[in-house]
Amino acid sequence: EVQLVESGGGLVQSGGSLRLSCAASGFTFSDYYMDWVRQAPGKGLEWVGRIRNKANSHTTEYAASVKGRFTISRDDSQNSLFLQMNTLKTADTAVYYCVRGNRGFDYWGQGTLVTVSS
Amino acid sequence: DIQMTQSPSSLSASVGDRVSITCRASQGIRNNLHWIQQKPGKAPKSVIYDASSLQTGVPSRFSGSGSGTDFTLTISSLQPEDFATYYCQHYATYPYTFGQGTKLEIK
Repeated sequence: EVQLVESGGGLVQSGGSLRLSCAASGFTFSDYYMDWVRQAPGKGLEWVGRIRNKANSHTTEYAASVKGRFTISRDDSQNSLFLQMNTLKTADTAVYYCVRGNRGFDYWGQGTLVTVSS
Repeated sequence: DIQMTQSPSSLSASVGDRVSITCRASQGIRNNLHWIQQKPGKAPKSVIYDASSLQTGVPSRFSGSGSGTDFTLTISSLQPEDFATYYCQHYATYPYTFGQGTKLEIK
């Protein structure tokens, strides 16, 4: 069974940093592209970014709203995905979902809440 | 960026009804479209990918159609568990973008 479990969310002040993790299981993690998607309270979904698999050199793509502040990385040996978030803004307050980038986004984690206070 | 526009924004229907939700892309996206279901307080769940392919485990009452700029999600006979918010999302080019959502409510 595919499972994606996020962790690392919490309360942080504006301008601060936070690192989210996603533990993957139930599939060959290294074969897949992985994405982060977020959802601000009461709002719709927003794609944050993607990291490709090793065959595609772990290259990344980002939404304009986070480019230069957020970094996606992965550790295939630990079946883990990461989101390093720097220079956080109140607009980054959201639930962050780890998503497998296959057949669209076929599996989603349960999400972790990041709250940025002013 | 490609803009995704869903209609309607909300929809009231009864169990057993046939309902359709449409999604329009601001430019052609071939069939690179995904439909997502989200229930209150829950993580999103993928329903349809490549515009018309059913994700594993999704009931056959769900179907998707369209290509290019116009797409439709149809539920042939609504069940109580189908009442949720539905989003379309393209994955044709970066950045990927979502529609604003359609809230399907019980009449």
